[in-house]
Amino acid sequence: DQQVKQNSPSLSVQEGRISILNCDYTNSMFDYFLWYKKYPAEGPTFLISISSIKDKNEDGRFTVFLNKSAKHLSLHIVPSQPGDSAVYFCAASVPPDKLIFGTGTRLQVFP
Amino acid sequence: DAGVIQSPRHEVTEMGQEVTLRCKPISGHNSLFWYRQTMMRGLELLIYFNNNVPIDDSGMPEDRFSAKMPNASFSTLKIQPSEPRDSAVYFCASSLRDGEAFFGQGTRLTVV
Repeated sequence: DQQVKQNSPSLSVQEGRISILNCDYTNSMFDYFLWYKKYPAEGPTFLISISSIKDKNEDGRFTVFLNKSAKHLSLHIVPSQPGDSAVYFCAASVPPDKLIFGTGTRLQVFP
Repeated sequence: DAGVIQSPRHEVTEMGQEVTLRCKPISGHNSLFWYRQTMMRGLELLIYFNNNVPIDDSGMPEDRFSAKMPNASFSTLKIQPSEPRDSAVYFCASSLRDGEAFFGQGTRLTVV
């Protein structure tokens, strides 16, 4: 039972354009959502998060949007850069501390 | 801080052998997580501890898997006996507050 779903296993975007990564969840108890980025042979690193009481959070080129009624969140990267090429994981937190991840989306930014 | 430290980085073992993965969390963090990364399931939560106490082990696949956290600075994940289907990358992560977790480099396990 996959509570956090990333239905697109891969995404290819041209440098300078917008990358949009999507994530759906099923558990209404999730109160905090996060995006992680993972390069090969490294552990995932935290990118950006959003509380369930907000619908948008922005950090530089990265913006996360949360639509609670649709149980959907998305990560926008603009402009995309080649260094953004990585696997992106969506994660959701259930109180008090359980962190559940999705299956990941591999983003490739080409010149 | 050196971050979350996992050992070994790579482990190759024969089917049926016992495997022990080790993790040192970031000092001061009170939650510790063990994840397994596979193509099909992404980052799968196996077990997590809070203040050294196992809180949720519902993700542990079978009785062959066990995890301990004898103190705040050390945890182990043991597989006995190991099977080829256990081959994956295993990550340990720790966190201080709800949400943001810091990951180690992972242990790539190959069971032949």
